[in-house]
Amino acid sequence: SYDLTQPPSVSVSPGQTASVTCSGVKLGDKFVCWYQLKPGQSPLLVIYQDSKRPSGIPERFSGSNSGNTATLTISGTQAMDDADYYCQAWASSTAPSFGGGTKLTVL
Amino acid sequence: QVQLVQSEAEVKKPGASVKVSCKASGYSFSNYAIAWVRQAPGQGLEWMGRISVYNGNTEYAQKFQGRVTMTADTSTSTAHMELRSLRSDDTAVYYCARLYCTETTCYYNFDSWGQGTLVTVSS
Repeated sequence: SYDLTQPPSVSVSPGQTASVTCSGVKLGDKFVCWYQLKPGQSPLLVIYQDSKRPSGIPERFSGSNSGNTATLTISGTQAMDDADYYCQAWASSTAPSFGGGTKLTVL
Repeated sequence: QVQLVQSEAEVKKPGASVKVSCKASGYSFSNYAIAWVRQAPGQGLEWMGRISVYNGNTEYAQKFQGRVTMTADTSTSTAHMELRSLRSDDTAVYYCARLYCTETTCYYNFDSWGQGTLVTVSS
């Protein structure tokens, strides 16, 4: 399987910018998705194919992917963004892998 | 709107099997694939595999090969995931999720998810 590494936790103050990283060997050669997971809820796709936002996801969510690192950026972070975030990578002919998850705390 | 509704929670003994269902609505069931992802208590997300509904092609994570079977019934727009020889570390919330596959390529962007089914394995 393909290993993806995320920091266990990230803290941010309301209104500031939060960055959550995801690292893997030649990750830039793969597509990366990001999911938001809140307690008692199902995962929510917030970024797909590195930087695309699904319909209904606020513009403050953005993504990038280059080299060995993908980054989820949340601009103007709000209290409602307090959640776990998981990266997931995939490429043609390779099974998808999830990162270990990052707990984003907005305080 | 797209909805995936899963079956209720299950409690199983070690060595038993469990079958979780996922009923789809709001889209053309045959035009997409269904993946299964689980989350053990305090752990991260884990991909188990997927089934392309229109041709029944399956792809299983190596970890579950030989122990899992995924099926899809187009007459009821329902996907099923059966896991056999259950162990205590199979205790988890199991999710189904939608993805798009062509005949040659799957786009592993899971854009809609079921509500999750808790499977508890305990003697």
